[in-house]
Amino acid sequence: EVQLVESGGGLVQPGRSLKLSCVASGFTFSNYGMNWIRQAPGKGLEWVAYISSGSSYIYYAETVKGRFTISRDNAKNTLYLQMTSLRSEDTALYYCARRWELDYWGQGVMVTVSS
Amino acid sequence: DVVLTQTPVSLLISLGGQASISCRSSQSLVHSNGNTYLHWYLQKPGQSPQLLIYQVSNRFSGIPDRFSGSGSGTDFTLKISRVEPEDLGDYYCLQSTHFPRTFGGGTKLELK
Repeated sequence: EVQLVESGGGLVQPGRSLKLSCVASGFTFSNYGMNWIRQAPGKGLEWVAYISSGSSYIYYAETVKGRFTISRDNAKNTLYLQMTSLRSEDTALYYCARRWELDYWGQGVMVTVSS
Repeated sequence: DVVLTQTPVSLLISLGGQASISCRSSQSLVHSNGNTYLHWYLQKPGQSPQLLIYQVSNRFSGIPDRFSGSGSGTDFTLKISRVEPEDLGDYYCLQSTHFPRTFGGGTKLELK
């Protein structure tokens, strides 16, 4: 069974940093591209970043480019999102999801940016 | 960036009825490899989104045949026939042909 479990969220002050993790199981993680998607409270879905299976290809939404870094450790079956210079508008539930089709999603982890 | 315009914003349907949701793209979603990466998701209240339809018309594993997708180029439709209580929630289209990936604004399906 494919499982994606996010962690690392919490309350953080504006301007500070936070690193999210997504641990994968039930499939060969190193064979699949992965994504981060977020959803602000009461709002729709926003794609954040993508990383290919071997980390050769990385793409970001303009809203996070230069502040967020997506990475992965295939030996640990783990996807990461390093978030710096956080803003109030980054407050959201952050999901990881697999493949271009986003076929499997985690349960999400909440990030709240507030002073 | 590709803009996906999803209509209607909300839909009131009776149990057993049929729902239709449109997703129109600001540019063609045909990839250079010939595939069209337009997908549909349902987000039930309090849950993560789940994939219903991938690449326009392919039902994902475990999705009943009451759900069907169609369309091409820039114009796509999700149809739900014989609506059941578990179909209620927010529906989104997503394009993964181009970067950045973009979602439609969502359609809330509610019972009449």
